[in-house]
Amino acid sequence: QQKVQQSPESLIVPEGGMASLNCTSSDRNVDYFWWYRQHSGKSPKMLMSIFSNGEKEEGRFTVHLNKASLHTSLHIRDSQPSDSALYLCAASMAGGYKVVFGSGTRLLVSP
Amino acid sequence: DMKVTQMPRYLIKRMGENVLLECGQDMSHETMYWYRQDPGLGLQLIYISYDVDSNSEGDIPKGYRVSRKKREHFSLILDSAKTNQTSVYFCASSLGGNNQAPLFGEGTRLSVL
Repeated sequence: QQKVQQSPESLIVPEGGMASLNCTSSDRNVDYFWWYRQHSGKSPKMLMSIFSNGEKEEGRFTVHLNKASLHTSLHIRDSQPSDSALYLCAASMAGGYKVVFGSGTRLLVSP
Repeated sequence: DMKVTQMPRYLIKRMGENVLLECGQDMSHETMYWYRQDPGLGLQLIYISYDVDSNSEGDIPKGYRVSRKKREHFSLILDSAKTNQTSVYFCASSLGGNNQAPLFGEGTRLSVL
């Protein structure tokens, strides 16, 4: 079983809508979470990081973290077609700098 | 310019041939990674390197080995490649420390026929 699970596997939202993506770790050794975005044929690029309980906002993107449940979520408001991509959740494991990724959520923003 | 460079970008090999994938970074990052990415499986960690000659297995090391003789350079070697090693391989680097997000190269698309 993957240590980092993401849901949903795929998501379609209309342009201007809100996209909500979820990620949970089954390993309590997680220290930090990141969200990456990967456009088709490109490499993953780090989008946002969150290390503390609560919420962090950067422009149209908001991440939440609940450390007790090891759950993080990414919310994209006013979604644009350029947001269409694979969104990967990553977690670093304590004691070794190991970074593991979920299998991703494929977001399609329809014009 | 902070960058992770992978060579080659595309590679076609026959089953049983040896494969060498190269990765370099110009940031003097301590930690480097090799991942493979297959549809529906996200990024799977093959090996992690903490510095020169200090390497550790990731989640799927079988069939792979690595070499790191200089801090800026990390190689992935497939001895006698198999068809199920057809994949996109990504190298990444970070400063080290659990709160440092890996920075990825552009990837190598490997096909083993």
